[in-house]
Amino acid sequence: ETGVTQTPRHLVMGMTNKKSLKCEQHLGHNAMYWYKQSAKKPLELMFVYSLEERVENNSVPSRFSPECPNSSHLFLHLHTLQPEDSALYLCASSQDAGRDEDTQYFGPGTRLTVL
Amino acid sequence: EDKVVQSPLSLVVHEGDTVTLNCSYEVTNFRSLLWYKQEKKAPTFLFMLTSSGIEKKSGRLSSILDKKELFSILNITATQTGDSAIYLCAALIQGAQKLVFGQGTRLTINP
Repeated sequence: ETGVTQTPRHLVMGMTNKKSLKCEQHLGHNAMYWYKQSAKKPLELMFVYSLEERVENNSVPSRFSPECPNSSHLFLHLHTLQPEDSALYLCASSQDAGRDEDTQYFGPGTRLTVL
Repeated sequence: EDKVVQSPLSLVVHEGDTVTLNCSYEVTNFRSLLWYKQEKKAPTFLFMLTSSGIEKKSGRLSSILDKKELFSILNITATQTGDSAIYLCAALIQGAQKLVFGQGTRLTINP
């Protein structure tokens, strides 16, 4: 068990749908992250939250909207996505954002397909 | 622009062989180099390297960092089919809690 869970594990949606991805960490960490992994591309960092405050937003289109209601939960709200947004979306958490030596632990990911 | 490059991108060997995976980086405010193994979905953490020249070992896996030449290698000895995976390296940016990932090396171990 990884300590970081994600739901759903698979999601198929149309371009006009609105859906949300959920991440929950059971490790007592203070920082959470969203990553996107497309086929044949490196992992791309999308958002970073530290103590429920967004600290990084890597030029992600506004059709992706993150929400971090508390340090254990992270959401990624999706609306009017494009087919090129189809990818594996990974959530991660770490102990202490800002601490130099830190390790991120990943969830199993959500495989998203946009039709 | 921060960049991490891995080589080779793909590697196929026979069970029992030894493999070396390479990772070079060019990042500002480098802090540490991390290696992950990704089998089906989520990456699992292998090593974090912060000091140059100190080898870290875990079973048949070992890794070392060269901060002068800006690279790291991951060695796997006596490979097994269960070692087949994508191996990712990532540079941790100091203070920013940001990981910059390489493209990954897809390792296939044939029986």
